[in-house]
Amino acid sequence: KNQVEQSPQSLIILEGKNCTLQCNYTVSPFSNLRWYKQDTGRGPVSLTIMTFSENTKSNGRYTATLDADTKQSSLHITASQLSDSASYICVVSDRGSTLGRLYFGRGTQLTVWP
Amino acid sequence: EADIYQTPRYLVIGTGKKITLECSQTMGHDKMYWYQQDPGMELHLIHYSYGVNSTEKGDLSSESTVSRIRTEHFPLTLESARPSHTSQYLCASSYSTGGTEETQYFGPGTRLLVL
Repeated sequence: KNQVEQSPQSLIILEGKNCTLQCNYTVSPFSNLRWYKQDTGRGPVSLTIMTFSENTKSNGRYTATLDADTKQSSLHITASQLSDSASYICVVSDRGSTLGRLYFGRGTQLTVWP
Repeated sequence: EADIYQTPRYLVIGTGKKITLECSQTMGHDKMYWYQQDPGMELHLIHYSYGVNSTEKGDLSSESTVSRIRTEHFPLTLESARPSHTSQYLCASSYSTGGTEETQYFGPGTRLLVL
């Protein structure tokens, strides 16, 4: 069964600290993996996308890693800010976007305290 | 910021009422989607469209219906709302690139409460 599991379910950190969010998936065949940020009351916004051959991709203070062999991904946030408080969703596509479907994780709810 | 809009943002309505959730995008995207999301849960695809006059049901069974008469507009209708329809509804759109890196852009969502 194709699934996307995220951990932790929720996380609280102090402003300025780093954190790492985890995503494990069983989706096959794998096409790509995205991390989305969803602010409360808003729609998700894409942060990064990684294909099979990519191991690391950065977007400002966000760095995503992918290990396609172990089917694991992580999202590392550096020097957290209050505005980083949001739900971070891991999304895996099983084929090319024109034919495949998306599998969503339940998200990690990150809260950054001052 | 994506140019995709949803109205209303919040809706409280009584059981049995007919409602239409509006979704519009100004990016010229050919594909549009409706997702349902409950608190702390994953998004579930309920409808999608690959172009005008094309609509398909998604993975999650839904009593709602959709239409795609214009490229930019993808409304979702519930003929008779029930408390079980209480949820957040997210609209998204994307542009066919023929590749694997097609990105879906999401609207802000409509939070629906059926009493």
